[in-house]
Amino acid sequence: QQQVKQSPQSLIVQKGGISIINCAYENTAFDYFPWYQQFPGKGPALLIAIRPDVSEKKEGRFTISFNKSAKQFSLHIMDSQPGDSATYFCAASRRTNAGKSTFGDGTTLTVKP
Amino acid sequence: DAGVTQSPTHLIKTRGQHVTLRCSPISGHKSVSWYQQVLGQGPQFIFQYYEKEERGRGNFPDRFSARQFPNYSSELNVNALLLGDSALYLCASSSRPGTGGEQYFGPGTRLTVT
Repeated sequence: QQQVKQSPQSLIVQKGGISIINCAYENTAFDYFPWYQQFPGKGPALLIAIRPDVSEKKEGRFTISFNKSAKQFSLHIMDSQPGDSATYFCAASRRTNAGKSTFGDGTTLTVKP
Repeated sequence: DAGVTQSPTHLIKTRGQHVTLRCSPISGHKSVSWYQQVLGQGPQFIFQYYEKEERGRGNFPDRFSARQFPNYSSELNVNALLLGDSALYLCASSSRPGTGGEQYFGPGTRLTVT
């Protein structure tokens, strides 16, 4: 059962452009929604996370938008850079236990110079 | 400070064999989770351990087992290996279930079953 669906599977953006990745979840018990960045040969690294009591969270060039009624959330990368080229995963869990997370299948982002 | 460490980095095994993967959490973290990441997919939750007790188990067969030691390090064991067990096995540590907070991943162990 795919509880977190992520799209698109791959994304190509020009340097300076905006990258947008979307996720949808099914389990309404989830209340913690992180995004991870993974480079080849490395483990996922936490990028930014949001809780459902806010609709948007911004950290630097990275913004999460959250729509509780639609059970959807998205990652926006502003001013995308070649160094942002990586695989991005959304995840969902209970706020009290991020150690038991359900992940999307990932989006491979390529930022062209 | 050292992050989550895992060993070995790479491993090649034959079908039917057994494998043990090891993980040391971030200092001060008492919870360890194991995930399987098949190529092209997101990590899938296998186990979570806290204070040497299993706190959660994902949809994996009984061939998968794990344990946590008094120093909070952990082992993941897989018996009777199948070709489909080939994956990146990730360990993540977090402070304590019930208190919130993020989990931090190690670099993973790449297991190839031939």
